[in-house]
Amino acid sequence: GAGVSQSPSNKVTEKGKDVELRCDPISGHTALYWYRQSLGQGLEFLIYFQGNSAPDKSGLPSDRFSAERTGGSVSTLTIQRTQQEDSAVYLCASSLGRVRTEAFFGQGTRLTVV
Amino acid sequence: GQQLNQSPQSMFIQEGEDVSMNCTSSSIFNTWLWYKQDPGEGPVLLIALYKAGELTSNGRLTAQFGITRKDSFLNISASIPSDVGIYFCAGPGRGGGADGLTFGKGTHLIIQP
Repeated sequence: GAGVSQSPSNKVTEKGKDVELRCDPISGHTALYWYRQSLGQGLEFLIYFQGNSAPDKSGLPSDRFSAERTGGSVSTLTIQRTQQEDSAVYLCASSLGRVRTEAFFGQGTRLTVV
Repeated sequence: GQQLNQSPQSMFIQEGEDVSMNCTSSSIFNTWLWYKQDPGEGPVLLIALYKAGELTSNGRLTAQFGITRKDSFLNISASIPSDVGIYFCAGPGRGGGADGLTFGKGTHLIIQP
């Protein structure tokens, strides 16, 4: 597609349930990022995929968080046993990687844990 | 990871005024990026800077990559209501993307009528 696409745009889930958030990056972009943004706050880095290299998972806040990127394209961020503090907007971005680092963002998924 | 200090945290200005914000780092950055985020949207790239000393304009926006490679500023001239939002600086830190893009905490721009 023309831009980064994220789904769903909104997700309300009960505490303790698992959720999956999806990101379709811009075609041809080798780098993919996940960030988390709490209301009115900055962007918290979660995980970074670059080509076929092992992902940089250093930003994942706990072992309840995991992410995959299949075929070097679509990525799924999974949060297990959701907690209320997981409520935030989850943003995905993609870039051409180390050649050009400008990242382009999707609209985000607003996650609310009740 | 890299730390970016962005200031001011918020700005209350009158329509038509010029705006200036900056970003500093304790480490050298090879790239500086400036983004704007509207409420309910993802950040949108405004300007990318790749060379120390580089001065780049995009309409009423002007950004500069500091000579020391540890700072950058963004200016907005003759502000208008649609300039309202959060402005973020960002950089790759090292390795051209390793550690992901690091973002400042943002400058909230509020325009008073």
